[in-house]
Amino acid sequence: SAVISQKPSRDICQRGTSLTIQCQVDSQVTMMFWYRQQPGQSLTLIATANQGSEATYESGFVIDKFPISRPNLTFSTLTVSNMSPEDSSIYLCSVGSAKDQPQHFGDGTRLSIL
Amino acid sequence: QKEVEQDPGPLSVPEGAIVSLNCTYSNSAFQYFMWYRQYSRKGPELLMYTYSSGNKEDGRFTAQVDKSSKYISLFIRDSQPSDSATYLCAMSHGNNAGNMLTFGGGTRLMVKP
Repeated sequence: SAVISQKPSRDICQRGTSLTIQCQVDSQVTMMFWYRQQPGQSLTLIATANQGSEATYESGFVIDKFPISRPNLTFSTLTVSNMSPEDSSIYLCSVGSAKDQPQHFGDGTRLSIL
Repeated sequence: QKEVEQDPGPLSVPEGAIVSLNCTYSNSAFQYFMWYRQYSRKGPELLMYTYSSGNKEDGRFTAQVDKSSKYISLFIRDSQPSDSATYLCAMSHGNNAGNMLTFGGGTRLMVKP
């Protein structure tokens, strides 16, 4: 399976600032996804990162708050904008590399907002 | 009502026990069913996945899907302390296992030596 690297692995940020999280894959993948995992909770899909076009956002998530880039088939970024304490979560990148192959996840970015 | 329901646990068992983890779901369009294991401070790791109904076995792990009952299970035989983790069921619909996933809430498992 693909090797997925996320940076940073963790960060502590001030309220009102923005942070960009990077997801790098060691092979070309068709689909990349961004999830949020709030403390003690399961994973919620934020958006599907589409190469060459705008990301597709799930209900409750908007582009102004979570802008996503996907410049090529191995890389994507998620920005968490104008952060508040409610944004303290783990943000996870996952990839789907081929038909009938389930998604694989990176280890996530642990974000705390003060 | 959530689309995928999973007992949060924690489930505590002695080493060597057989563990049964379960999820129920409401969306009959789900076709692919996955089990992920998540250790503390790590991302989810794919354990097993199945397409449609039936059983699948891999070592100590067996996954079962009963689409008529909208019920899936993961069995762990001869459980080990290293199996202590949170287990997440996940499902997707359509014609591709890599489609967007809907997760259960996760069950925390503790295997005591």
